[in-house]
Amino acid sequence: SYELTQPPSVSVSPGQTASITCSGDTLRDKYVCWYQQKPGQSPVLVIYRDIKRPSGIPERFSGSNSGNTATLTISGTQAMDEADYYCQAWDSSTVVFGGGTKLTVL
Amino acid sequence: QVQLQESGPGLVKPSETLSLTCAVSDSSISSDYYWGWIRQPPGKGLEWIGSIYHSGSTYYNPSLKSRVIISVDTSKNQFSLNLSSVTAADTAVYYCARQTVAGTYYFDYWGQGTLVTVSS
Repeated sequence: SYELTQPPSVSVSPGQTASITCSGDTLRDKYVCWYQQKPGQSPVLVIYRDIKRPSGIPERFSGSNSGNTATLTISGTQAMDEADYYCQAWDSSTVVFGGGTKLTVL
Repeated sequence: QVQLQESGPGLVKPSETLSLTCAVSDSSISSDYYWGWIRQPPGKGLEWIGSIYHSGSTYYNPSLKSRVIISVDTSKNQFSLNLSSVTAADTAVYYCARQTVAGTYYFDYWGQGTLVTVSS
């Protein structure tokens, strides 16, 4: 079965750029999306189709997908961005989630 | 604004069947979307359970397929999840969500989630 691999944790200082990676075999051939989940809340879509931002998502969130790795980038990270982030793709008629990355802003 | 609301028992006994319903508001369940179930065990990551189209066409997680049935009721604008032979490992927050089609398959609207505990 297809797998997506994320680092368990990423730390960033306020105002700096955070990068969260998501790796999978020939991931560039699939559309990747990203969700943000804060404690006790439902996931929120922050990036879809690799690079697109839903309305209401700040411009500091951006995405890319190349080779075997998709990346969620948060520019000018704010304290409110501290959360768990999950990548997701579609493979062989199944939804696949990455294991999640806890972003700490300190 | 599309709204989804999960409902069902918060406690299920081992070996019994977990049944949840998701009521959809401000979006017709007969529109061109899939409707999915996702769960999250306490302190763990997201796991997709399965998705259904209004025609009844379904996709299931292969690891759960033998125990899962997802159905849709277009007259009530809702869809449901049945998970049989549950064990403690099925304890999780269960979310319903709207899923796009046409090659993208992301979930754009989510319910608030409902905690289901499997315990005797």
